[in-house]
This record gives sequence, C-alpha cells and structure tokens, in this order.
Amino acid sequence: DSGVTQTPKHLITATGQRVTLRCSPRSGDLSVYWYQQSLDQGLQFLIQYYNGEERAKGNILERFSAQQFPDLHSELNLSSLELGDSALYFCASSVDVGLAGGRETQYFGPGTRLLVL
Amino acid sequence: DQQVKQNSPSLSVQEGRISILNCDYTNSMFDYFLWYKKYPAEGPTFLISISSIKDKNEDGRFTVFLNKSAKHLSLHIVPSQPGDSAVYFCAASAAGSSNTGKLIFGQGTTLQVKP
Repeated sequence: DSGVTQTPKHLITATGQRVTLRCSPRSGDLSVYWYQQSLDQGLQFLIQYYNGEERAKGNILERFSAQQFPDLHSELNLSSLELGDSALYFCASSVDVGLAGGRETQYFGPGTRLLVL
Repeated sequence: DQQVKQNSPSLSVQEGRISILNCDYTNSMFDYFLWYKKYPAEGPTFLISISSIKDKNEDGRFTVFLNKSAKHLSLHIVPSQPGDSAVYFCAASAAGSSNTGKLIFGQGTTLQVKP
C-alpha cells in the first residue's frame, strides 16, 4: 500500500460525458501528479500540482483539467469524453517538488480504470 | 518522440537466475532515473532509483547500473523469483529551473520468472 488513494476504481461512461477522478496523496506529500496509461502505452505525464498550484503540464488535452484543494487532495476532470480517453489514470504524490529538484520518489495510487462506451 | 525506451517488450528467465532489464534514453538533461514494478490492476510500485552522479545503486536483490556516456541503464535482479513476474517501467526526470519532478516513462518490459 503506497498510501495514495484513488476513487473510483472503475468508471464506465458514455461518449460526451464528463467525469471526475479523485486522488488523496500520502500524508505529508505536497506534490500530486496525474498520469495516463492507454492500452499498450507507457505512462504519460498529464499534469502536476504542488501545494495547490499548477506546476507543470504535459500532454494534457484541453478537455481535461485538474485542481488541488487546500487539503491537498486532487481531482482530474475529463469532459466531452471520447472513446480514445479510455485508459488507466494514475495519481502519484511526492514530498516536495522544489528542494530536491525532482529527486523525490513518486508513489502511485492504484489507478482509476476509465471505459468510455 | 520517445525519450525513454525499453526495447524489449518481454523477458523470460528461470527462477534463481539473473534478470537484466534494459532502458535507453535520449535526453541528456535526464539526471535521475527510477525503476517501477507494476502488477495487473495495481499502480506502479517504486523499486530503486539512481542519480546521475552515481553509476551503480544496490538494494537487496535489485541493482541499477547507469552508463551516462551510452545513455543506458539496466536493472539486475539476482536471484530472480516467481514473485518478480510483473511489468517493469524505467522512468527519468530532468533537473531544471521549473523544479518539476515529472517522470518520463518507458513502454515497460514484462518479466516472467519461471519456477
């Protein structure tokens, strides 16, 4: 158990719909990262938040957005869903993004499996 | 552009033997590397990491070697056990003024350890 929790574990929805994925980082971790793993793909970095502020963006679609709340949990919002958005979405957390310059180990949650029909 | 590559999609070894998983990278700015193990229906689990100031890091049965000139790293598992059967991901991050720790992952190598 990494200490990172994600809900829901599974999500089935239809094209055009909007869903929200939730992540609670490990206790004390300030950074939250979102990754997407599509079929036969490695994990692709989507976005990072540090202590409530967006810190880095990767290959995140404009239809996707995220935020980190004062209690440090994070939500990834996916809208106007398409079939190709079906994937595993992982959240990871680490202690601090700044001091060690990215050297902190990221601990991953169990993921949310999204299926768009 | 695949900045981190794991060219072997799969590897099969006998229990007790050595498993060697390889990873190549193209971005010379990468200076921190990690290996993660992933079982089906679970998130990646951190195994071992190495900074670019080192060429070797060891943790129990797991050793990571880094060859900066070749932009190559490898994970050695000795001895291999059936419970090591999983997908192994190599990941890298780059230092920079943005202070972001985003990881760039390889495609993964599926390791099967046969009893």
